[in-house]
Amino acid sequence: KAGVTQTPRYLIKTRGQQVTLSCSPISGHRSVSWYQQTPGQGLQFLFEYFSETQRNKGNFPGRFSGRQFSNSRSEMNVSTLELGDSALYLCASSGGRGTNEKLFFGSGTQLSVL
Amino acid sequence: AQSVTQLGSHVSVSEGALVLLRCNYSSSVPPYLFWYVQYPNQGLQLLLKYTTGATLVKGINGFEAEFKKSETSFHLTKPSAHMSDAAEYFCAVSNAGKSTFGDGTTLTVKP
Repeated sequence: KAGVTQTPRYLIKTRGQQVTLSCSPISGHRSVSWYQQTPGQGLQFLFEYFSETQRNKGNFPGRFSGRQFSNSRSEMNVSTLELGDSALYLCASSGGRGTNEKLFFGSGTQLSVL
Repeated sequence: AQSVTQLGSHVSVSEGALVLLRCNYSSSVPPYLFWYVQYPNQGLQLLLKYTTGATLVKGINGFEAEFKKSETSFHLTKPSAHMSDAAEYFCAVSNAGKSTFGDGTTLTVKP
């Protein structure tokens, strides 16, 4: 069974630009969540989607948005990039049968904002 | 509301020594607790989880953790450290689809 796939692996953008990150969950998983990881803030929860609906949301500004498609693939978008958005963005999927399933993580997208 | 506190951002042990990584949690409902490991340039991988039942949970790579409700703790242990255990370890509490992670503990294993 293929794992969680995130693309691209590395990304370099400049301030003010926007970026879209992609996540393909494990086949059959319906829940996809996104996390931002930085040395200073650790792992911060962005949002979680289940069956195309945002089920949970963290404390991030509206510049951060996401969506989930009918095949459970998810995208995350960040508009008007700031230097502080430089981070490793991790996507995780779970079976979603219960509400506390273990998470399977992708390798992440390393975003650098210059 | 839920939160996780990992005591000690860095832990260093000698190869063959006991590994003890500390985690305390706060949760308004019965918690679901997890330990994840992250190797450099990789995502997180589940080590073990506690949901209900037996309070001593065994995970992969010889790790185990004990849920102690009275102490609100979920410390991770391994009897004998191996060089390959060097990584960053995260404790997490989950409720209603949202996981909250601790700040992580970097484990260094000295030869």
